[in-house]
Amino acid sequence: EAQVTQNPRYLITVTGKKLTVTCSQNMNHEYMSWYRQDPGLGLRQIYYSMNVEVTDKGDVPEGYKVSRKEKRNFPLILESPSPNQTSLYFCASREGVDNSYEQYFGPGTRLTVT
Amino acid sequence: GQSLEQPSEVTAVEGAIVQINCTYQTSGFYGLSWYQQHDGGAPTFLSYNALDGLEETGRFSSFLSRSDSYGYLLLQELQMKDSASYFCAVRNQTGANNLFFGTGTRLTVIP
Repeated sequence: EAQVTQNPRYLITVTGKKLTVTCSQNMNHEYMSWYRQDPGLGLRQIYYSMNVEVTDKGDVPEGYKVSRKEKRNFPLILESPSPNQTSLYFCASREGVDNSYEQYFGPGTRLTVT
Repeated sequence: GQSLEQPSEVTAVEGAIVQINCTYQTSGFYGLSWYQQHDGGAPTFLSYNALDGLEETGRFSSFLSRSDSYGYLLLQELQMKDSASYFCAVRNQTGANNLFFGTGTRLTVIP
């Protein structure tokens, strides 16, 4: 089954404790992206990757890091989480950059930073 | 920069037709997408318009007018399961063609 998976689905942590949210897709998609969703603000892009070893900032990258060492995986790293990073996070993938428009989303990770 | 405007809430009766509008401002435009998100779920793709006109997919249709920077999603024969949030999104002309999402319209279908 074609899918995007994220882990963990729920996470409660404390300020400053480094964490990683994993994302994996099994569709051989080139493009992957991370979004955060907050009430009234919709989906805002954090980082994206057009292919292996190619990553770039989205609209709200502060406090986050990513890596793309393999095509299927795109982990989101919070080196020192703060309460304002409490949010619902979605990973997404798309076939390519130019000729695809349907984006597939993972199930989401609800993060609470206390 | 980019901005998208859509109503925050819409309520409609089961079996009726509802239209969710989206106006956009963007430097460079490739196309307008629509996504559906049920409470607790992930956004799922509904439709994409790159050219002016109406695209129909079953009970859902999407319209685009590039000259007016405007589009809408039309849902016909509403069902209770259509209660969800609906997001419009634009692809910009950056090299990555990133999607920029609106803030979403919460549709409530009532009996």
